[in-house]
Amino acid sequence: QVQLQQSGAELVKPGSSVKISCKASGYTFTSYDMHWIKQQPGNGLEWIGWIYPGNGNTKYNQKFNGKATLTADKSSSTAYMQLSSLTSEDSAVYFCAHYGGYSAYWGQGTLVTVSS
Amino acid sequence: NIVLTQSPATLSVTPGESVSLSCRASQSISTSIHWYQQKSNESPRLLIKYASQSISGIPSRFSGSGSGTDFTLSINRVESEDFSIYYCQQSYSSLYGTFGGGTKLELK
Repeated sequence: QVQLQQSGAELVKPGSSVKISCKASGYTFTSYDMHWIKQQPGNGLEWIGWIYPGNGNTKYNQKFNGKATLTADKSSSTAYMQLSSLTSEDSAVYFCAHYGGYSAYWGQGTLVTVSS
Repeated sequence: NIVLTQSPATLSVTPGESVSLSCRASQSISTSIHWYQQKSNESPRLLIKYASQSISGIPSRFSGSGSGTDFTLSINRVESEDFSIYYCQQSYSSLYGTFGGGTKLELK
C-alpha cells in the first residue's frame, strides 16, 4: 500500500533554513508527481508546488519562488523540501502528497515552528 | 490563475440533515475538481475525484456533481463523524493543485 512518511517536527530560528523529507513506499516513486502543501494554524490548504522525481522537473506556486526548493532522491524514494530565510509566516504544518491527477495519499505532516 | 471559491465558509447543521457544499471556479475547468475532508490535526482525505467519481472506502452518503465552473459536494444525512472541513482542489491549469478556501461543517 502507498505510504508517505514525513520527517519529524522542527523548531528553527528566524533567518535559518530547514529541510524536511517525505519517504515514499508502495508505488513507483519516479512515475508520479509529489506535491507539497502548507497549512498555517487555523488556515486552509495552500499549494506550494510539485516535483516529478522521474526527471527532477519542478513547478512552484509563484508565491513560494525563492522560499521553497523541491528535490528528490530516486535511490531512496525520498522527496525533500527546503525552506529558506525562515520567518514566523513560515510556521506551519507541511504535507507531501502523492499526485496522480488528484491526491489520494498524504504524508502525516511536518510541523515547522520558527522561533528565536 | 484559476481561483476556487467555496461557500458557505461555515455550515451549521444537525445530524441527519442533508447538505450541499459549493465550489465555484473562476473559469471553466471541465470536471477537474476533487474534494477532500480534513479533520482536526489530520491529513486531508480524498472523498471525490473528477467532480463525481467515487473513491473506494468512502461512505456512499458523499457524492459530487457539476462541471464547468460550478461544483457541489453533497452529504446525504450528515453523521457526527462528518463534522470537519471540506476543500475542493482543481487539477485543470498548469498551476494545478490550487485549493478552495474550505467549508467548515459544524454541529448546530
